[in-house]
Amino acid sequence: AQRVTQPEKLLSVFKGAPVELKCNYSYSGSPELFWYVQYSRQRLQLLLRHISRESIKGFTADLNKGETSFHLKKPFAQEEDSAMYYCALKNDSWGKLQFGAGTQVVVTP
Amino acid sequence: DAGVTQSPTHLIKTRGQQVTLRCSPKSGHDTVSWYQQALGQGPQFIFQYYEEEERQRGNFPDRFSGHQFPNYSSELNVNALLLGDSALYLCASSLAGNEQYFGPGTRLTVT
Repeated sequence: AQRVTQPEKLLSVFKGAPVELKCNYSYSGSPELFWYVQYSRQRLQLLLRHISRESIKGFTADLNKGETSFHLKKPFAQEEDSAMYYCALKNDSWGKLQFGAGTQVVVTP
Repeated sequence: DAGVTQSPTHLIKTRGQQVTLRCSPKSGHDTVSWYQQALGQGPQFIFQYYEEEERQRGNFPDRFSGHQFPNYSSELNVNALLLGDSALYLCASSLAGNEQYFGPGTRLTVT
């Protein structure tokens, strides 16, 4: 069965420190992986996807098929990065998303 | 374009009642997906509508049903409400299988 696991419910970091959010998945095939973010009082929005291999707001994520991981990283956290982050897997062309439980990131000055 | 809109924002129902939630997709989108997000959890896929037909369904009982209209808007209906149905219900729209855009959600409380 496919599964998305985010082991950390809460990640507290200081401004300027590196931050890494872990995401592991189980799926037999070639999934698409995404990171979604939800800022306070805002709707869920796409942050980045593995196929685009781009950096958004300083965040990057590399798909490691050997370790079945898609960790999200940023070298220098900013206060505006405080939000809820969800890792998600898409396993078909129709777009059904399977989400992890989410990681709350708190960046303190 | 206001993006994906959902109504109502909040709703309080009694156990056993029925509820209808509504979603208007982003302009140009033809596919609507519904998700349930319980407190402290990630969104869980309920079902997806395309061309007025249910195309995919998650692991939800048939108390959960939906509809898509010719203008691509959609409704989610839940019958015989249980306390466990209390959650944030999210609607997401997309064009074919591309990026999903989420609405603000409807907070349903069952008492």
